[in-house]
Amino acid sequence: GQNIDQPTEMTATEGAIVQINCTYQTSGFNGLFWYQQHAGEAPTFLSYNVLDGLEEKGRFSSFLSRSKGYSYLLLKELQMKDSASYLCAVRDRSTGGYNKLIFGAGTRLAVHP
Amino acid sequence: ETGVTQSPTHLIKTRGQQVTLRCSSQSGHNTVSWYQQALGQGPQFIFQYYREEENGRGNFPPRFSGLQFPNYSSELNVNALELDDSALYLCASSLGQGANYEQYFGPGTRLTVT
Repeated sequence: GQNIDQPTEMTATEGAIVQINCTYQTSGFNGLFWYQQHAGEAPTFLSYNVLDGLEEKGRFSSFLSRSKGYSYLLLKELQMKDSASYLCAVRDRSTGGYNKLIFGAGTRLAVHP
Repeated sequence: ETGVTQSPTHLIKTRGQQVTLRCSSQSGHNTVSWYQQALGQGPQFIFQYYREEENGRGNFPPRFSGLQFPNYSSELNVNALELDDSALYLCASSLGQGANYEQYFGPGTRLTVT
């Protein structure tokens, strides 16, 4: 089956570092995405991993271990505007040959002063 | 801004009615995917259109249907609306259906069914 798990909520302090974990089970893994979504808005792309290892992009980094079905998103130097939901999504290549995104329920991050 | 637009922004319908949501893909993108996002949940894949044909479908009943036009814009139609259809409907376009193509999301249509 297909399943993606991530924590429901996290809190952190402005200026700190937070790590959001994601575990997944899919049959046709073809890459993992992290999206940020502010309330009532569309998801915006943060990062993409298809090979094992760490991808760094400014204050955001994402890690992937395909053998463990595990990823994390690391946010450094947290700012108040980072308060949002963070969605882990796996690109799944179905038997029909098309790619679809399977999303987790999202992690709501609250950043406090 | 991703260049993907959706209309309308908000919509209120009554149970049993029908609704059509529209999506204009980013220039040059021939693939459009539709997602339903209920409150507090992640987006759920409804279906995908590639060059005017449906080429993949999630676990949604037949009353959810769609179209893609020659200019690659797309419509999502939902018949016999139910209360549980209340959600944010997102469309995402991509350059193709292959593995290397990122999906770009539109701002969504918030549908409320009363």
